[in-house]
Amino acid sequence: AQSVTQLDSQVPVFEEAPVELRCNYSSSVSVYLFWYVQYPNQGLQLLLKYLSGSTLVESINGFEAEFNKSQTSFHLRKPSVHISDTAEYFCAVSPDKLIFGTGTRLQVFP
Amino acid sequence: KAGVTQTPRYLIKTRGQQVTLSCSPISGHRSVSWYQQTPGQGLQFLFEYFSETQRNKGNFPGRFSGRQFSNSRSEMNVSTLELGDSALYLCASSKGGWEGNTEAFFGQGTRLTVV
Repeated sequence: AQSVTQLDSQVPVFEEAPVELRCNYSSSVSVYLFWYVQYPNQGLQLLLKYLSGSTLVESINGFEAEFNKSQTSFHLRKPSVHISDTAEYFCAVSPDKLIFGTGTRLQVFP
Repeated sequence: KAGVTQTPRYLIKTRGQQVTLSCSPISGHRSVSWYQQTPGQGLQFLFEYFSETQRNKGNFPGRFSGRQFSNSRSEMNVSTLELGDSALYLCASSKGGWEGNTEAFFGQGTRLTVV
């Protein structure tokens, strides 16, 4: 069975500071890895994904995540956050169906 | 290209009633998955339909059921509603090849409140 752990339920940070949202997974088979973002009263939007190839994946809005097989991690990072990045972030794995972590609430303060 | 459409957006029902939620996937997508989101349990997988067949199922009681039509639209039904069924129900659509839900697109969800 697969599982995802997001250790930080909330991450407060000031605008323009760097941030890292942690994600660890457990799986006995190869998986695909994802980060989704959810804004208030909205569905989930795909932020970035790792399917194969380069272990560093990037999104169009400055986020990046690195797949680390030995540490079974897929941490999300951004070097400088904006107020508009305030949202809930979900890490997910998928051998066939998406299994989500419990989410990390990123709160960016001015 | 239209996104995933879920109707209705908001719903209030009484305990014991039943409810049907609808999801229209992105054109050309054959897989539809349903998720329940609650503050306590997070996002939990309900089931997935592909070409009118249930392909995957989560750990929910039989009161939760679904179906998919030939045009890939899907409905989810919950019978004998309980207070604990109050949640945001999210539908996700994907092309649904062997990769499964490698790129899933979500609707805005239906907020169900059971009173």
